[in-house]
Formats: sequence, structure tokens, C-alpha cells
Amino acid sequence: SQTIHQWPATLVQPVGSPLSLECTVEGTSNPNLYWYRQAAGRGLQLLFYSVGIGQISSEVPQNLSASRPQDRQFILSSKKLLLSDSGFYLCAWRGDFYTGELFFGEGSRLTVL
Amino acid sequence: AQTVTQSQPEMSVQEAETVTLSCTYDTSESDYYLFWYKQPPSRQMILVIRQEAYKQQNATENRFSVNFQKAAKSFSLKISDSQLGDAAMYFCAYRRRDDKIIFGKGTRLHILP
Repeated sequence: SQTIHQWPATLVQPVGSPLSLECTVEGTSNPNLYWYRQAAGRGLQLLFYSVGIGQISSEVPQNLSASRPQDRQFILSSKKLLLSDSGFYLCAWRGDFYTGELFFGEGSRLTVL
Repeated sequence: AQTVTQSQPEMSVQEAETVTLSCTYDTSESDYYLFWYKQPPSRQMILVIRQEAYKQQNATENRFSVNFQKAAKSFSLKISDSQLGDAAMYFCAYRRRDDKIIFGKGTRLHILP
């Protein structure tokens, strides 16, 4: 069966420090992958979308970047974190080709101090 | 641009009663998918129900059903016989033609014992 994992689950970082959140999918190949951020009062904001290795679509200009070095690996990064980067980050993969239903990871809670 | 609006930030319902969560969306597309996702306190997002826009029949999953009004661009979720385990954040979502899934800001549902 397919599974999706994110780590770390919790992260506390100082302003200006780098960031790397990792997401891995198992049990499927060539998945469509998504990074979302959940901030209080803003729902889920789509950050990045990837249909394959090296193919990244950015939804909003921001301090973050994403990479897909392997078929089932999706990484969210920042060179210098801002206070506004704090939030709950969710990785998801498109589990149903026709409907677009998403399956989510457990999430990563980032606090920038 | 497609948008998803959930006008009720919070709602409460008595256990065993029925509650309806509202969602409206804006799109110029004719064929699309709509979803309701649930995020319990554990933060793990799970799909509750989905609706294909080309189907006139409203989707139903056990105690969960939708009222899909395509002309009005409305997609409400009805929860019957509310249970304590239904307490969660509920997100309405729209799948765009480019495969990106757009979420509303969510409605926090409280179940009163």
C-alpha cells in the first residue's frame, strides 16, 4: 500500500537559519506531489506542485523553494527563514488519477523565533 | 482565478443533531472535482467526500452528504447524527484543470455532548 512520510515532525529555528523539510512517498511511482502551508486563519495555501523529477511549479512568490531530486522525494527549503515562515507544512500526493484526491503526510510544525 | 470560500469560521452542533457546513467557489471551468477534507486534532488530513461536477446526483458517504448546486457554485456538507469524533476542522477544496487543489480557510466544528 502507498504511504507518505514527512520529517521532521516539529522544528524550532531562529530567524535567518536554513530550512529543509523532507517528504517521501512509498508504494507508487511518478506521483504528483504538493507542498501546502497551513497558517492560522488562512486555511491551506498551495506552495509548490511537482509532476516529476526536477519539475516544480510555484504558486506564490515567497522565501521558500522546493526540489524533487528523486521520483518519490519532495523537499521544501529555505536559505534564510523569516518569522512569517512559521506554520504547519503538509506534503500530499495525488492518490487518484481521475478525481485528484490527495493523501496527506503527518505534517511538519515549524516555529521561527 | 479560482477561489474557495467558507464563510463559517466556527460552528457548533449538539451530539446526534444535524449540521451543514457551507462552501462556495468561483470558477469558469465546466468540469471539475470538489472535495471535503477533515482535519481532526491529530492534524492528519483525510478525505470525507468528493463530488464530480458533471454528476447531478449529490454524493453520499454514510452520515456525510453534500448539496451540490452547480449553477450557484455552492457545495455544502451535511453531517447527520453528529458524533464526538466528528469534531475537527473541515476544508472545502476545488481541483483546478491544471491539477492543483485549492482549499478554503476551513470551518472548525465543535460537537456538544
